[in-house]
Amino acid sequence: DTGVSQDPRHKITKRGQNVTFRCDPISEHNRLYWYRQTLGQGPEFLTYFQNEAQLEKSRLLSDRFSAERPKGSFSTLEIQRTEQGDSAMYLCASSLLGGAGNEQFFGPGTRLTVL
Amino acid sequence: GQQLNQSPQSMFIQEGEDVSMNCTSSSIFNTWLWYKQDPGEGPVLLIALYKAGELTSNGRLTAQFGITRKDSFLNISASIPSDVGIYFCAGQNYITQGGSEKLVFGKGTKLTVNP
Repeated sequence: DTGVSQDPRHKITKRGQNVTFRCDPISEHNRLYWYRQTLGQGPEFLTYFQNEAQLEKSRLLSDRFSAERPKGSFSTLEIQRTEQGDSAMYLCASSLLGGAGNEQFFGPGTRLTVL
Repeated sequence: GQQLNQSPQSMFIQEGEDVSMNCTSSSIFNTWLWYKQDPGEGPVLLIALYKAGELTSNGRLTAQFGITRKDSFLNISASIPSDVGIYFCAGQNYITQGGSEKLVFGKGTKLTVNP
């Protein structure tokens, strides 16, 4: 199966620590998105890349958050000095520019718990 | 900002019954997507809609893009136990969103199917 994959699936960390998540999109997809989802809510947009260029960042993405997609393939999302409010599911999605509309396909997510 | 109102918040039905849920917005979208999410997993794309008035089916699922472009509904016919999950609507309008490709999600409809 060549769907979107994310690693790790679960991460437990202590407040103040840094964490990094990885996303591997569907292989031919040139757009990659990060969303955050808290309990009882729908996913909220954080940022997206077209190839290696980061084209948009949400106001939700504070200075402690940084995302990269250095070679236009996989992406990493780093959270520095984690806070308890960062606890959430972090979802990655990918789509194909020029493909069928804007069909974004999601990975299984990384569940972050900040103690 | 754009908000999607999804209703009902939850539904409890018997196996074999039909289900209907809807999503409304205060602003226009040019793409509507419906996703299903199981606990601890990422959303799975069910149906994508691109034209006002469009009616699209995927097996027992049928979705429509409202004429006003501010609403959409999803119907599930002859429900089965594996239909259990949370159903999300998502909208996108790169024009009114300033060229953004982000998806705006509703809060979800939680479906429970009793065998």
